[in-house]
Amino acid sequence: QQQVKQSPQSLIVQKGGISIINCAYENTAFDYFPWYQQFPGKGPALLIAIRPDVSEKKEGRFTISFNKSAKQFSLHIMDSQPGDSATYFCAATGDSGAGSYQLTFGKGTKLSVIP
Amino acid sequence: NAGVTQTPKFRILKIGQSMTLQCTQDMNHNYMYWYRQDPGMGLKLIYYSVGAGITDKGEVPNGYNVSRSTTEDFPLRLELAAPSQTSVYFCASSPRQGAGNQPQHFGDGTRLSIL
Repeated sequence: QQQVKQSPQSLIVQKGGISIINCAYENTAFDYFPWYQQFPGKGPALLIAIRPDVSEKKEGRFTISFNKSAKQFSLHIMDSQPGDSATYFCAATGDSGAGSYQLTFGKGTKLSVIP
Repeated sequence: NAGVTQTPKFRILKIGQSMTLQCTQDMNHNYMYWYRQDPGMGLKLIYYSVGAGITDKGEVPNGYNVSRSTTEDFPLRLELAAPSQTSVYFCASSPRQGAGNQPQHFGDGTRLSIL
């Protein structure tokens, strides 16, 4: 069973602080690692994604760090804001045969940013 | 641009009843997916489709059926509802993936309770 392990399950951060969410994977065939952000009552929305040929990708306050040898990747949210309060899912995917790419999700991290 | 639209948003079923969860997308995406989301468990893939007339099982297909007669629509059918199928169901779509992974776009979900 392909797995993506995500931690922590919940996270409370002060406004202006750094939020860090970690994920680890087992399948070395994974070649695309997206992060999704989900607000209550809404579907997940793609936040940022990385491929294993780079070690870091930054988009605004959001950064993915990727360690291929350790099979780990993490999301850093700089200057966290109350509007960042949401559930974050890491995911991974690779060609599972016949040209189909199925996402394997972590179990999610509920982030609360307090003023 | 509506993206991925799911109906209904909420539904309560009795054990043994059947229903169809509707999903339609207006982005001309070839790939479509059905997930279920249970608290603290992330998203689990139920079924997916790589194009009209082609469907395949995901990780948790038991108790569900799908069809894909058009590019736009991908309904999910529950034939004999069971309490274990109480969940939030998400439909997603993504473009043709011939050049590698593409992000999945999610609907806002159907919240289903079976009593």
